[in-house]
Amino acid sequence: AQKITQTQPGMFVQEKEAVTLDCTYDTSDPSYGLFWYKQPSSGEMIFLIYQGSYDQQNATEGRYSLNFQKARKSANLVISASQLGDSAMYFCAMREFNTGNQFYFGTGTSLTVIP
Amino acid sequence: GAVVSQHPSRVICKSGTSVKIECRSLDFQATTMFWYRQFPKQSLMLMATSNEGSKATYEQGVEKDKFLINHASLTLSTLTVTSAHPEDSSFYICSADGQPSGNTIYFGEGSWLTVV
Repeated sequence: AQKITQTQPGMFVQEKEAVTLDCTYDTSDPSYGLFWYKQPSSGEMIFLIYQGSYDQQNATEGRYSLNFQKARKSANLVISASQLGDSAMYFCAMREFNTGNQFYFGTGTSLTVIP
Repeated sequence: GAVVSQHPSRVICKSGTSVKIECRSLDFQATTMFWYRQFPKQSLMLMATSNEGSKATYEQGVEKDKFLINHASLTLSTLTVTSAHPEDSSFYICSADGQPSGNTIYFGEGSWLTVV
C-alpha cells in the first residue's frame, strides 16, 4: 500500500481564493509527522508546514494550514488567499519516528494560480 | 535563509566523466543526510541515506559503485556520479537531518545534472 497518496495531479485556483490540496497516509506507527513542501520550477524543496501525530491542534503557518483528520488519516493543505507565486508542485510527506525515520513522499500536486 | 546548501546548482559533463555534488548543512550538524533523484514531473526517489563516519545505505536498485556517497564530516556529504551517461541526467537533491528545530528535514537547492 502507498504510504502517501495525493490524488490530485493538477489543481487550478483563482487568485485570492483558497484551495485545498488533498493528502492521505497509511501507517501503523503511532508516532509520525506529516509535512508539506512546495517545489517551484527552480527545483528547490521549500518546507511549508508540519503536523505531529500527537498534536491536538491543526498546524498553521501564515496562509498555510493543515487540516489534520487523524481517524481518516488525512492531512490536507489549505492555502488561503492564493497568490500567483503559489503556482508550484506541492508534495505531502510522512515520517515514521519509530520505524527507521524514513521520509515517504506523495506523487505531488501541481497547483496553478490563475490571475 | 537556507539551512542546507547544495553545489553546483547546474552542471554539464561529458559522457564517461565523473561529477561531484556537495551538500552542506549550515549552522548545524547533520548526523544523517539523504540523497534523492527526481525525474521530470515525478516525486522524489530516495537513493541513499548517508551517516557521518559510516558507509551509506543505498536503496534497492541504486548502484553504489556508480553513485558514490561520502559523509566525511557532520556538515558535508558528497555524491559522485562516476562514469556518467546521458541516462544519469536528472535532478539530484539532498536533505539533512539533525535539523536546527522540530522534526522536519530541510533540503538543499538541488542540482541539475546534464550528461552530454
